[in-house]
Amino acid sequence: GENVEQHPSTLSVQEGDSAVIKCTYSDSASNYFPWYKQELGKRPQLIIDIRSNVGEKKDQRIAVTLNKTAKHFSLHITETQPEDSAVYFCAAIGSGNQFYFGTGTSLTVIP
Amino acid sequence: EPEVTQTPSHQVTQMGQEVILRCVPISNHLYFYWYRQILGQKVEFLVSFYNNEISEKSEIFDDQFSVERPDGSNFTLKIRSTKLEDSAMYFCASSVDRGREEKLFFGSGTQLSVL
Repeated sequence: GENVEQHPSTLSVQEGDSAVIKCTYSDSASNYFPWYKQELGKRPQLIIDIRSNVGEKKDQRIAVTLNKTAKHFSLHITETQPEDSAVYFCAAIGSGNQFYFGTGTSLTVIP
Repeated sequence: EPEVTQTPSHQVTQMGQEVILRCVPISNHLYFYWYRQILGQKVEFLVSFYNNEISEKSEIFDDQFSVERPDGSNFTLKIRSTKLEDSAMYFCASSVDRGREEKLFFGSGTQLSVL
C-alpha cells in the first residue's frame, strides 16, 4: 500500500514569514494529493489539493507543488498569520483508493 | 455549505461495552468512510462503504467493528466490545465519488474514551 511521510513534525515561524511542509509518497500510481488543516479539537478541513497532471497550484497565500518523478509534494504558506497555527496533514490516494495521511506537522506562528 | 454531522461529540464507556457512533453524510455523497485519530497521531483509515456494503477496510477494522447504513441518511460505526486502545477521535467522512481524485469531507468527530 501507499506510505506517506511528512516533515517536519513541528514548525515554528515568525508572523509574516513563510512555512514549508514536505511530504513523500511511495505508490507511483497515486495521483491526488490533498492537504488538510486541523485546528485543536476540530475536524480536518481540506485547504488545497493537487492532481497529478499539474505541478503547482496556488490559492491566495497557500500553494502546493508536486514532483511526480521524485514522488514528493510540498505545502507553502506565505505571509503567515497567527490563525495559520494548526496541524497540517498531507495525504495521497494509493492504488486502492484509500486516503493515506502523513503524520502531521504542528505549525506555530509566533506573533 | 453542507457538512458531515456526527453524534455524539463525546462518548465515555466502560471497557467491554458496545458503542455506536453515528454520522449523517452529505446528502448527495455516495461513499462513506470512518477514520480514527489517536491523540497526537495521524488520521488512520478504518473502512469505506458504498452501495450498502463495505468496499475496503484496514487491518484495524477487525471483527469488533461493524458499519451499517440503517436508513437513507445515517451511517453508523459499532464497536462491539470496547478496549482501552479504542480510545480515539473517530471521524466520519464522505465523498461524491470513489476516493481517487475526489474531495473527502470530514465530520467534526466523536471523541471516544474507554475507561
